Amino acid sequence: AQSVAQPEDQVNVAEGNPLTVKCTYSVSGNPYLFWYVQYPNRGLQFLLKYITGDNLVKGSYGFEAEFNKSQTSFHLKKPSALVSDSALYFCAVRAPSGSARQLTFGSGTQLTVLP
Amino acid sequence: GAGVSQSPSNKVTEKGKDVELRCDPISGHTALYWYRQSLGQGLEFLIYFQGNSAPDKSGLPSDRFSAERTGGSVSTLTIQRTQQEDSAVYLCASSLASAPVADTQYFGPGTRLTVL
Repeated sequence: AQSVAQPEDQVNVAEGNPLTVKCTYSVSGNPYLFWYVQYPNRGLQFLLKYITGDNLVKGSYGFEAEFNKSQTSFHLKKPSALVSDSALYFCAVRAPSGSARQLTFGSGTQLTVLP
Repeated sequence: GAGVSQSPSNKVTEKGKDVELRCDPISGHTALYWYRQSLGQGLEFLIYFQGNSAPDKSGLPSDRFSAERTGGSVSTLTIQRTQQEDSAVYLCASSLASAPVADTQYFGPGTRLTVL
């Protein structure tokens, strides 16, 4: 079975500082990894994904994530945080093979960027 | 273009009543997913449709839950004899599913279901 862990329920960072939201995963084989963001009373918005290739993935709104196979991690990063980045962030994994296409999500990390 | 749409946005019902939630996927997307987001359980997969294949129902929590997808487009999630623990936000997503590699699921705004 596949699983995702987001060890921090809450991350606070000052505006302009770099931010990191942590994610580790467990899956058989090479994973497909995703980050989504959720603003209040909204659905999930896709940020970026890792399928294969370069371990550093760049996505929307200046976010990036680094795939680390040895540490089974896929941390989300941004060099300079904005107050508007404050939201709930979800990491998700999908098994690379078989018919199961559904995503398994982490529990979410609430990011607060302080002005 | 238009994204995934869901209706209603909010639904309040009484325990024991049946409810229907609707999802209209992105045009051309062959795969459609239902997830549930609740405080206690986080984001859970419910059911997955892909083209004309039999749906993957492995995430449905009980036989009170069912879903159908008509004409390969619009989907309806039905919850019979609702219980208070069914209160959650029900999210629909769709994707192209056109390649073996992972395609991207795009989510609708969700339906917030409250069972009194």
